[in-house]
Amino acid sequence: AQSVTQLGSHVSVSEGALVLLRCNYSSSVPPYLFWYVQYPNQGLQLLLKYTTGATLVKGINGFEAEFKKSETSFHLTKPSAHMSDAAEYFCAVSDRGTGRRALTFGSGTRLQVQP
Amino acid sequence: EPEVTQTPSHQVTQMGQEVILRCVPISNHLYFYWYRQILGQKVEFLVSFYNNEISEKSEIFDDQFSVERPDGSNFTLKIRSTKLEDSAMYFCASSSVPSDRAGGNTIYFGEGSWLTVV
Repeated sequence: AQSVTQLGSHVSVSEGALVLLRCNYSSSVPPYLFWYVQYPNQGLQLLLKYTTGATLVKGINGFEAEFKKSETSFHLTKPSAHMSDAAEYFCAVSDRGTGRRALTFGSGTRLQVQP
Repeated sequence: EPEVTQTPSHQVTQMGQEVILRCVPISNHLYFYWYRQILGQKVEFLVSFYNNEISEKSEIFDDQFSVERPDGSNFTLKIRSTKLEDSAMYFCASSSVPSDRAGGNTIYFGEGSWLTVV
C-alpha cells in the first residue's frame, strides 16, 4: 500500500524566508503526486501536481515542487514566505496505472510565518 | 471557477441518529469521492463512486455508511447510527475522467462538512 511521509508536523519561518516542506512516498512505481493546502476553516485546495514530464512543477501562490525519483521525494518550496502562506500543507499520492484513483495523504505540515 | 459545494457546513447530531451529508460535484465530473479528517489527524479516503456504483472503498467505509447519487447533481453520504468517533470533517470531492487533458487525476475538494456527534 502507498504511504506518504511528511517530515515535520510544524514548520516556522520568517516572512521573506525560504519555505521547504518535505514529502517522501513509498512506492515501487512513482505515483501521481500532489500538494494541497488547507487554510483555517476551509477545505483542501490543490497547489500543484506532478503527473508526467518536467520534474519541476510550478503551482499557485509562487509554490513549486520537484519530483526526484531517486530520492522518492516531492518537496514543496517557495523562495519567499508571505504571511498569507500560513496554513496546513498536505502531500498526497495516487496510484499510477492501476485504475485506483483514491488519494493517500500525508499527515500534514502546519506552516507558521513569523513577521 | 467551478467548485464542489457541500451542505451543511456544520451539523451536530446525537449518538445513534442518522446523518446525511450532501454534495454538489463539479458539473462535468464523473468520479465522486468522500474523505474524512478527524480533528488533528490525516485526511482519509472513504469511498469513490463512478457510473452509479461504488468503485473503491476503504476499510473505514463499512455497513454504517452508504452513498447515493439521487439525481443528476447531488451526491450524498449517509451515516447510520452515528457514534462519537464519527465526529470529523467530511470532504466531498470530484474528478474528471483520465482522458480529460485539463484535469487528469486532479481531485477537487469541497470545503467540508463538520459533523459533531454528541
